[in-house]
Amino acid sequence: EAQVTQNPRYLITVTGKKLTVTCSQNMNHEYMSWYRQDPGLGLRQIYYSMNVEVTDKGDVPEGYKVSRKEKRNFPLILESPSPNQTSLYFCASGSPPTKSGLWTFGSGTRLTVV
Amino acid sequence: GENVGLHLPTLSVQEGDNSIINCAYSNSASDYFIWYKQESGKGPQFIIDIRSNMDKRQGQRVTVLLNKTVKHLSLQIAATQPGDSAVYFCAESSMEYGNKLVFGAGTILRVKS
Repeated sequence: EAQVTQNPRYLITVTGKKLTVTCSQNMNHEYMSWYRQDPGLGLRQIYYSMNVEVTDKGDVPEGYKVSRKEKRNFPLILESPSPNQTSLYFCASGSPPTKSGLWTFGSGTRLTVV
Repeated sequence: GENVGLHLPTLSVQEGDNSIINCAYSNSASDYFIWYKQESGKGPQFIIDIRSNMDKRQGQRVTVLLNKTVKHLSLQIAATQPGDSAVYFCAESSMEYGNKLVFGAGTILRVKS
């Protein structure tokens, strides 16, 4: 089944404790992206990647890091989480619009930083 | 489920009626538009897309209309069903901005039985 898999689904952590949210896709997509979703603000892009070893900042990159060492994986790293990073996070993968442009989203990771 | 719908506009329709959800986009250079549906506790799910060289596209029970003159996008759902209840997002992208998807704030659709 074609899908984007995020782990974990739920995470509660303390301020300053480094964490990684994993994302993996099995559709051989070039593009991958991380979003955060907060009430009333829609989905805001954190980082995106157009291919292996190619990453770029989105609209809200502060406090986050990413890496794209392999095509299928795009982990999101919070080196020193803070309470304002409490949010619902989505990973997505897709092909460039010149091909299909279709983006597929994971099921989300609910992060709480206390 | 997650309270992603706080302060979003809400459209309430009777089961069986048609629904029209509207979206104003911001970038006149956007060349690709997508509608997503998000149910409680789930990630956004693709519904239908349209490119800027078209003004209408139809899918199964859904139609997307694009008016580039006023930068307006709409999603029409025919014979709305209770399973259509969700938050609906429009998204735009442009090659000028690296094909990055930019999402609107969303609209809550509530279907009354």
